[in-house]
Amino acid sequence: AQSVTQLGSHVSVSEGALVLLRCNYSSSVPPYLFWYVQYPNQGLQLLLKYTSAATLVKGINGFEAEFKKSETSFHLTKPSAHMSDAAEYFCAVNRAGGTSYGKLTFGQGTILTVHP
Amino acid sequence: SQTIHQWPATLVQPVGSPLSLECTVEGTSNPNLYWYRQAAGRGLQLLFYSVGIGQISSEVPQNLSASRPQDRQFILSSKKLLLSDSGFYLCAWRVTGTGFGYTFGSGTRLTVV
Repeated sequence: AQSVTQLGSHVSVSEGALVLLRCNYSSSVPPYLFWYVQYPNQGLQLLLKYTSAATLVKGINGFEAEFKKSETSFHLTKPSAHMSDAAEYFCAVNRAGGTSYGKLTFGQGTILTVHP
Repeated sequence: SQTIHQWPATLVQPVGSPLSLECTVEGTSNPNLYWYRQAAGRGLQLLFYSVGIGQISSEVPQNLSASRPQDRQFILSSKKLLLSDSGFYLCAWRVTGTGFGYTFGSGTRLTVV
């Protein structure tokens, strides 16, 4: 079984400040990990993904995430927040290989608020 | 290019009425297809997935059903809606094979009144 825990349902930062959204996963086999962003009343957009290549993954809009196996973490960061980053962010895990049929397990989401 | 279409965007339906939400994918063949529901503050819950025409797997018991009459068409239905069916419904597809994320549709906001 696999699961994802996002620490903090709400994160608030000032414009220009560091963004850190936390994600810890549980998986009995090597995982593939994803971060998605959702703007109000829209579908989810893929920010970045980890698929067992480089542990530091760079995504769109200046975001990046680091896979740390020893900590079972995949935290999302951005050095300088922009007002347009305000949205809800979801971490997700998919079991590598096997017969999972590509099913992703999502975390509960973290709402990011950016203050001027 | 590959695109996914989901409609309608919003829907207000009375309790006990039927439901039909449609999702179609263009530019790919034999995709894996998924229906998720997003309730306020509860993340995304996988409802159904399909790996081929006529092949539907249900993840949770519920008042809904799904069908895949064509390779790139995925339909979510209900015979009689409940208040608890309200939520934001998302269709998604992915290429076959591991390591690929989903591409999501724009979602349908369903309010059952």
